[in-house]
Amino acid sequence: RKEVEQDPGPFNVPEGATVAFNCTYSNSASQSFFWYRQDCRKEPKLLMSVYSSGNEDGRFTAQLNRASQYISLLIRDSKLSDSATYLCVVDDQGAQKLVFGQGTRLTINP
Amino acid sequence: DAMVIQNPRYQVTQFGKPVTLSCSQTLNHNVMYWYQQKSSQAPKLLFHYYDKDFNNEADTPDNFQSRRPNTSFCFLDIRSPGLGDAAMYLCATSAHLEAYEQYFGPGTRLTVT
Repeated sequence: RKEVEQDPGPFNVPEGATVAFNCTYSNSASQSFFWYRQDCRKEPKLLMSVYSSGNEDGRFTAQLNRASQYISLLIRDSKLSDSATYLCVVDDQGAQKLVFGQGTRLTINP
Repeated sequence: DAMVIQNPRYQVTQFGKPVTLSCSQTLNHNVMYWYQQKSSQAPKLLFHYYDKDFNNEADTPDNFQSRRPNTSFCFLDIRSPGLGDAAMYLCATSAHLEAYEQYFGPGTRLTVT
């Protein structure tokens, strides 16, 4: 089983739609969770951290379910500029490093 | 602006010819990482430095080495590049090991001919 698994994608959605990504992780001791965004041929950039209580940043909402070892990202009112690959990232507790998911590719269509 | 810089952005090398990629940072972060990312795959951690302490991932080939002469600079040396080493190499930094937020440089895209 992969340490971090994401929806396979790709997702193609119309502008203005709501889209949700899911991610599961295998290390129950993990404490830190993130969503990174990576544009084509560019570096990953932190989109948002994921907190136990869930958190929102504008159109983006992240949720964490520790019991199910599950993280989600919801994008509302999607924009063309949201087209990117979204990487689910989890700390490998004890190893002091991050583990990246393969990423889910999102394309927003006009 | 504080940042992570990688040079060169694109590197072409011949099969078996040693190559060095460089990374510098103005964030004054203690930890520097090197990742390898192939197309449509997750970034794969090769190694990291915490100050001068070097930590190699168990599955990183011996062909890959690293140097960190000071806080600001870190180098990735590939002794004998193979065709399978063609990838994007990403440098990242974090303030300390427990601060998992990492800041990435723009990457160096390596082509092996």
